[in-house]
Amino acid sequence: QKEVEQNSGPLSVPEGAIASLNCTYSDRGSQSFFWYRQYSGKSPELIMSIYSNGDKEDGRFTAQLNKASQYVSLLIRDSQPSDSATYLCAVTRSGYQKVTFGIGTKLQVIP
Amino acid sequence: ETGVTQTPRHLVMGMTNKKSLKCEQHLGHNAMYWYKQSAKKPLELMFVYSLEERVENNSVPSRFSPECPNSSHLFLHLHTLQPEDSALYLCASSHPNPGQGNEQFFGPGTRLTVL
Repeated sequence: QKEVEQNSGPLSVPEGAIASLNCTYSDRGSQSFFWYRQYSGKSPELIMSIYSNGDKEDGRFTAQLNKASQYVSLLIRDSQPSDSATYLCAVTRSGYQKVTFGIGTKLQVIP
Repeated sequence: ETGVTQTPRHLVMGMTNKKSLKCEQHLGHNAMYWYKQSAKKPLELMFVYSLEERVENNSVPSRFSPECPNSSHLFLHLHTLQPEDSALYLCASSHPNPGQGNEQFFGPGTRLTVL
């Protein structure tokens, strides 16, 4: 079983729609969860961190965490072509150096 | 700009060459990381340094040799690499804090090609 699982995609959504990206993880001791955005040929960029169950909103982005189900998601509202990228889910234990990444979901926003 | 710089950005080397990758962070962080990113694979953690001590070494072949002379600089020394070592090598830094996250900030990466 992979430690952090994501559907590699591509996930195609029309411009203006909501993009929903999902991630599951296997380590029940995980307490910190991150979403990174990686444009083609570039390095990952941190866009969201979430530590508690529930929703966390930042602009058009909402991260959702359900520790009981070992599930974390990222919603992107009003998707724009500039959101087209690969989104990496990452998890770690609190204060622990090692962060485990998923393979990433490639998102394509169609104009 | 994330405050983490890497040089060189691109590197082509033969299997018998020796080269070094350099990373520098200007964020005041106390942990630094080397990752390898290959196509269709998750980011692979190679090495972790915390307060200049190596705390993680993920069974990386000895042809990769890290060095952390201080909390702001990290090197990856390369020698007798194989073509399958061609990948994007990413440096990251963070300030792990119990009760909070370990938000890592990445440099732009070095695209390595081994001929």
